[in-house]
Amino acid sequence: GEDVEQSLFLSVREGDSSVINCTYTDSSSTYLYWYKQEPGAGLQLLTYIFSNMDMKQDQRLTVLLNKKDKHLSLRIADTQTGDSAIYFCAERSTSGTYKYIFGTGTRLKVLA
Amino acid sequence: EAGVAQSPRYKIIEKRQSVAFWCNPISGHATLYWYQQILGQGPKLLIQFQNNGVVDDSQLPKDRFSAERLKGVDSTLKIQPAKLEDSAVYLCASSLAQTGGTEKLFFGSGTQLSVL
Repeated sequence: GEDVEQSLFLSVREGDSSVINCTYTDSSSTYLYWYKQEPGAGLQLLTYIFSNMDMKQDQRLTVLLNKKDKHLSLRIADTQTGDSAIYFCAERSTSGTYKYIFGTGTRLKVLA
Repeated sequence: EAGVAQSPRYKIIEKRQSVAFWCNPISGHATLYWYQQILGQGPKLLIQFQNNGVVDDSQLPKDRFSAERLKGVDSTLKIQPAKLEDSAVYLCASSLAQTGGTEKLFFGSGTQLSVL
């Protein structure tokens, strides 16, 4: 069945790089997404990657996709305290209802 | 551009009571979703509308949950009667259209429901 897994917690020091990992199961997924959720707020789209790409860079964010292993990662360079939040990986099916499947979320804590 | 509006922001009820949540999507967005987010988990899709039609309600507990989007714009989600395990944040999201392309979801801030 469809499943998206993430590690629960990550703690880094301000200025270091953060790497958040995700594994998914639906090999037919065309798009994979990263969302950020701050306390008391909804999810905000950070970036996405098309399945025929290996890497996508967007300012401080780098997304790496390993289709063979169904592994997705989000690297945040020069992590700031404002990056503290929960990060969700999501896969989207490319047929039927095109629904999103979200991971359990990784709570990132940035230490000053 | 106004975002996805949801109300109320918080709701506390006792079990077996009824509750309703309201969502107004971004203007022009044809697709509307309701998600349930239990503490410590990712959002789980409850129901998806395309305009005023239901696309997917396979995970909606239909014995107690109902949702409608009568005019293809705003939507309400109702729980009757509520159970303790319904305590969660209910998120509404919208997107321009349901396609195979890069469909971006825009989320509201959610309604936090506590069932006592």
